Amino acid sequence: GENVEQHPSTLSVQEGDSAVIKCTYSDSASNYFPWYKQELGKRPQLIIDIRSNVGEKKDQRIAVTLNKTAKHFSLHITETQPEDSAVYFCAARAGNFNKFYFGSGTKLNVKP
Amino acid sequence: NAGVTQTPKFRVLKTGQSMTLLCAQDMNHEYMYWYRQDPGMGLRLIHYSVGEGTTAKGEVPDGYNVSRLKKQNFLLGLESAAPSQTSVYFCASSYAGPYEQYFGPGTRLTVT
Repeated sequence: GENVEQHPSTLSVQEGDSAVIKCTYSDSASNYFPWYKQELGKRPQLIIDIRSNVGEKKDQRIAVTLNKTAKHFSLHITETQPEDSAVYFCAARAGNFNKFYFGSGTKLNVKP
Repeated sequence: NAGVTQTPKFRVLKTGQSMTLLCAQDMNHEYMYWYRQDPGMGLRLIHYSVGEGTTAKGEVPDGYNVSRLKKQNFLLGLESAAPSQTSVYFCASSYAGPYEQYFGPGTRLTVT
C-alpha cells in the first residue's frame, strides 16, 4: 500500500519568515494530495489540495508543489503569522483505492 | 447544514466493555471513513465505506467493526474495549473520487 513520510516533525520560525513542509509518497498511482491544519483539540481542516495533473497551486500565503517523478509534494507558507501555529498533515489518496494515507504531522510554531 | 457530526464527544470505558460511535453527515457524500489519532502520529484509517451497505478494512481494523445501513450514517463498534484503543476517533466523509474529506469534531475515548 501507500506510504507517506513527512518532514520535519517540528518547525519553529520567526513571524514573517517562510515555512516549508515536505512529504514523500510511494504509490505512483496516487492522484490527490490534500494538506490539513489541525489546531489543538480541533478537527483537521483542509487548507489546500492538489491533483496529480497539476504541478503547483497557490492560495494567498499558502502554496503546494507536486513533483510526480520524484513522488514528493511540499507545503509553502509565506509571511507566517502566530495564528499559523498548528499541526499540519499531508495526505495522499491511493490511486486505485478509495483510501487516504496521512503523514505523521509537522508541529509549526511561529514566534512573534 | 451540520456537516459531519459525531456522538458522543467523550467516553470512558472499562476494559472489556463495548460501545458504538455514531457518525452522521448531511452532505449526501458517498464515502465515509473512520480514523484514529494517537499522539505524535497521523491519522490511521480503521474502516471505510464507499456506499450504503458496503464496508472495507483500512490500516488498523482489528478490534473494530463498522456498519453503514443508511447513506448518511457510519457506525464504529468496539466489541471488547482494550486500553490500546484509547485514542481520539475522527469520522470523515467525501464525494466519490479525489475530493476533499470533511472531518467530524472527534470522539475522545479512554479505556481504563
